[in-house]
This record gives sequence, structure tokens and C-alpha cells, in this order.
Amino acid sequence: QSVLTQPPSVSGAPGQRVIISCTGSSSNIGAGYGVHWYQQLPGTAPKLLIYVNSNRPSGVPDRFSGSKSGTSASLAITGLQAEDEANYYCQSYDSSLSGWVFGGGTKLTVL
Amino acid sequence: QVQLGESGGGVVQPGRSLRLSCAASGFTLSSYGMHWVRQAPGKGLEWVAVISYDGTNKYYADSVRGRFTISRDNSKNTLYLQMNSLRAEDTAVYYCARDRVDCSGGSCTRGYFDYWGQGTLVTVSS
Repeated sequence: QSVLTQPPSVSGAPGQRVIISCTGSSSNIGAGYGVHWYQQLPGTAPKLLIYVNSNRPSGVPDRFSGSKSGTSASLAITGLQAEDEANYYCQSYDSSLSGWVFGGGTKLTVL
Repeated sequence: QVQLGESGGGVVQPGRSLRLSCAASGFTLSSYGMHWVRQAPGKGLEWVAVISYDGTNKYYADSVRGRFTISRDNSKNTLYLQMNSLRAEDTAVYYCARDRVDCSGGSCTRGYFDYWGQGTLVTVSS
């Protein structure tokens, strides 16, 4: 059972928009800690996609965007492309656990 | 460019030990905290341990505290994870990752992982 809750899977057709949710609690996202997102393509290491709620590292397309509100956060992907098919993880810090925590991951399928 | 490369994985019997290494290049290792994160086969990501830039502060996940020890040798640009009393549930790909703090709120708090290595597989099995 992950501390942050994500849907196991989402899907969309090429060109469409999908949203992946990440729900936490008052000891992590709700406590003001930032939410960060990672993309893990099949057979590869995770890659930072969004940091501190809504910031994109250099090289990440602006089709990817993040937001945070209360105890939840979301990752939006617009203009879906086949190469976006991957697992996506949200991450924050939990003050009760005194540790970095992840969501269980969401598998994105591009139809 | 920033590069992280893990080594030392393999097959080990339950109860035995293993030491992982993570070689860093392309940045000044002594300026950054470093983490170990693991991923069991077909499962999600799990944070394991963190060490401060100078090695003075170390924190562990409950699942490994007392069995694993994180350390670093900045003169060798290398991060380590000593794993003792290994269990079947420790079977995973182990990644090292660079720490970045979150300073967006005026003060800096626990943040995220901006670069990851390719991972090394540890299999605990008799």
C-alpha cells in the first residue's frame, strides 16, 4: 500500500489529453511538501518529469504539466504521443514517516 | 553531463551481505545529498536511504533500518550501500539518485531526485 495513491492505469488516443491524479494526506502533500513526477519508460530508469508541483526540467516538452491543490496533485499530458507510453510516479516527502514517498505508479497506454 | 553508474548487484543467499557502489561523474559529488531507491520486479519505487553531502546525516526507510548502511567517499566520487541480513523481499533493482532540495517556499525542505543511475539488480534467493 503506497502512501500516495495513483490510479493503476489510464489510457488515451494519440492527440488526446489525459490526467493522472496523486492523492496524499496532511503529513505529505497537505503539509506543504512539493509533489514531483517521474516517467519510467519500459526497461529504463525513472526520469524526472515535473519538480516542485509544476516545473519542467530542461528538455521536457510543455505537453507535460503539473498542479497541486490541498492534499492532491495532478499530471496532465496533452497531445498524447506513442512515446508517452510509460509508467508515471508521483513523489513527495512524508513528515510522519520521515522519508521520501512515492505513489504506486500509473501505467499510461496510448491506444 | 551528470552520470551515475551502479554496480555490485547479483544473486545472494538470504542472510548474507552485499555492497553496492554508485560511481558519479559530471558534477561535484561533495555538493549533493544522495539517495538509494529500489524497485522490486514488476512493482513501484521505494525510497531506501539518503546521505547528506558530507556524510554526517543518514536516514533510512523502516524496511531497511538496522540492516543497510549508506556511506560515501567523496574523494572517490562514489556512493555505497552496504546490505546485511538480506531477505527475499529485498530483491529489487537498486538505483542511486541525486538529491535536490525544494526551496520554492522561501525555506528549503525535502525535495526530489533529479538524476538517476541505470540500476543494479539484487536477487536474494537460496
